[in-house]
Amino acid sequence: ETGVTQTPRHLVMGMTNKKSLKCEQHLGHNAMYWYKQSAKKPLELMFVYNFKEQTENNSVPSRFSPECPNSSHLFLHLHTLQPEDSALYLCASSQGANQPQHFGDGTRLSIL
Amino acid sequence: AQSVTQLDSQVPVFEEAPVELRCNYSSSVSVYLFWYVQYPNQGLQLLLKYLSGSTLVKSINGFEAEFNKSQTSFHLRKPSVHISDTAEYFCAVESADSGGGADGLTFGKGTHLIIQP
Repeated sequence: ETGVTQTPRHLVMGMTNKKSLKCEQHLGHNAMYWYKQSAKKPLELMFVYNFKEQTENNSVPSRFSPECPNSSHLFLHLHTLQPEDSALYLCASSQGANQPQHFGDGTRLSIL
Repeated sequence: AQSVTQLDSQVPVFEEAPVELRCNYSSSVSVYLFWYVQYPNQGLQLLLKYLSGSTLVKSINGFEAEFNKSQTSFHLRKPSVHISDTAEYFCAVESADSGGGADGLTFGKGTHLIIQP
């Protein structure tokens, strides 16, 4: 149990669907992150939120839309995705700068 | 901007043998360094970190890593591996000049450590 919970664990969707990934942290952290993990590629940072404010958008396509309603919850809204978006999406949280990040177990996303 | 290079995508080792997983980084600013481990179907877990101070850092399960600034390296070592160490190991850096706000990690591609009986 890492204190970071991601749902769903697996998601299969068509390219025209709209779905959302959810992340919840129970650690009292102030920063939350979305990463994409694809086969044979380094983990890619997608978004960073500090105190609910988005502080980094790492050139992510607009078909990915993050939302951070409070410091404990982070969503990733998905629409009109492409097959190359199939990957493991990992959420993480940390107390702040230079503090270790705690990761959830990820959502395995498959685009048909 | 930073980058991390893990030269070995896969390292097979016999049980109870020593192992070294290599990590080199490139950055125009000072960085903090991390090693994470990922077991199958799980997220990443922090193994150890270097923020400042002693350049040799150790984890509770026998791993250690040494920060070498001149060689821009942070290699991970363990003197005697166990079957349960089979996993994917990721080296990562974070800018030390984040301006107070949290920054994201830059990861290497990972090294798959395979322990053979």
